[in-house]
Amino acid sequence: KNQVEQSPQSLIILEGKNCTLQCNYTVSPFSNLRWYKQDTGRGPVSLTIMTFSENTKSNGRYTATLDADTKQSSLHITASQLSDSASYICVVSGDSGGGADGLTFGKGTHLIIQP
Amino acid sequence: NAGVTQTPKFQVLKTGQSMTLQCAQDMNHEYMSWYRQDPGMGLRLIHYSVGAGITDQGEVPNGYNVSRSTTEDFPLRLLSAAPSQTSVYFCASSYSTGYTEAFFGQGTRLTVV
Repeated sequence: KNQVEQSPQSLIILEGKNCTLQCNYTVSPFSNLRWYKQDTGRGPVSLTIMTFSENTKSNGRYTATLDADTKQSSLHITASQLSDSASYICVVSGDSGGGADGLTFGKGTHLIIQP
Repeated sequence: NAGVTQTPKFQVLKTGQSMTLQCAQDMNHEYMSWYRQDPGMGLRLIHYSVGAGITDQGEVPNGYNVSRSTTEDFPLRLLSAAPSQTSVYFCASSYSTGYTEAFFGQGTRLTVV
C-alpha cells in the first residue's frame, strides 16, 4: 500500500530560526513529489513539485530536496516568519493506472512559529 | 482570479438529510476531484473527473455522488448524511494529472449531528 510518512508531527520554533521537515514515502511507481502549505481553515497551497530527476527546488525561503533512491524528501524553511505557522503536507504522486491523480497525502507537520 | 470556489464554507446537517457541496473553477481545468480531510489522516480521494461527462470513484466514495455537466462545475452530493461524514471537504482542480499543480478550494466544514 502506498504510504507517506512525515516527521515530526508538530514543531515549535522561534521566529527567525531555520527548520527542516521530513517526508518518507513508499509509493510505486513514483511520478513526482509535492509540498503543500495549509493555513488553518484554508485549503492546501502548492510550494514545490519535483520529479525524480530534480534533487532540489526552491520557492523563496522554502527549499525542498528529494532523494528518489532512498525515497526521502525534506522541506527546509529559512529565517522563519510568523506567517509560516501552518501545516506542511508532503504529497507523492504515483501512477494510479485508472485516470485518478494517484496522489498519496501525508498527515502533515504542524509548525508553530513563536515570536 | 477566483481559482477554485467552494460553497458553503460551513454546514450542519441532521442525520439522514441530503445536501450538495458546490465547487467551481475558472481555470479551464479538465481534472477535478473531491477530498475529505479528517483529524490525524491525510486527505483521501472521494470522487474525481477527467472531463465533462466523465466521473469515477476514488478511495472513499460510499455515501457520495458526483456529476460533471460542465468543465467549470463539480458538485458533490451527500445522499443521506451520517455522522461518519463529519469532515472537511476540499475540491481541487488541475490542468491534467501527473506533473501539474493542483489548486484547492478553501474547504467546506461539514458537521452531521
